[in-house]
Amino acid sequence: EVQLGESGGGLVQPGGSLRLSCATSGFTFSSYAMTWVRQAPGKGLEWVSGISGSGGSTYYADSVKGRFIISRDNSRNTLYLQMNSLRAEDTAVYYCAKGGRAAAGPIYFDSWGQGTLVTVSS
Amino acid sequence: QSALTQPRSVSGSPGQSVTISCTGTSSDVGGYNYVSWYQQHPGKAPKLMIYDVTRRPSGVPDRFSGSKSGNTASLTISGLQAEDEADYYCCSYAGGYSVVFGGGTKLTVL
Repeated sequence: EVQLGESGGGLVQPGGSLRLSCATSGFTFSSYAMTWVRQAPGKGLEWVSGISGSGGSTYYADSVKGRFIISRDNSRNTLYLQMNSLRAEDTAVYYCAKGGRAAAGPIYFDSWGQGTLVTVSS
Repeated sequence: QSALTQPRSVSGSPGQSVTISCTGTSSDVGGYNYVSWYQQHPGKAPKLMIYDVTRRPSGVPDRFSGSKSGNTASLTISGLQAEDEADYYCCSYAGGYSVVFGGGTKLTVL
């Protein structure tokens, strides 16, 4: 069974940093692109960042480019999101999601974690 | 990276059919046959319902179907059931390792 579990969320002051982790199991982690998607309170889903199975290709939404860094450790089956220079508008539940097709980009997402809440406030 | 356009809400009675539209551009919806749809109940993670425009993952009822014409994709739910009441999001591949989501549609089963 595929399982994804996020951790690392919490309360942080504006300008601060936070590192999210997504531990996975039940599939060959290195074969699949992974993605972070966030959802602000009462709002819709927003794609944040994606990374290839090897980790060699990464992409970011314009809203986080230059501030967030996505990475993965294929030996630990874990996805990360380093969030720097956090702003109030980054407040959201952050979900990690698994790409649905091996050796392909994040065309769709067939498994999601339960999400971790990040609150940016003074 | 503009969000895809979805109606904010749709509604239908049990047993009826509803269709949710999702409009993008030639750079996303119109450019690739990689539209997916997600169902989200309150407080829960999204669930994949449709991928590659028309394909259903195992376990998703065949009451759910997808289609696309030009820059607009659609999700149709037939034989509405109470448990279908949820938020629905479309999503399209947009090149590289990026995707774009729609703003979401709240489905109310009357």
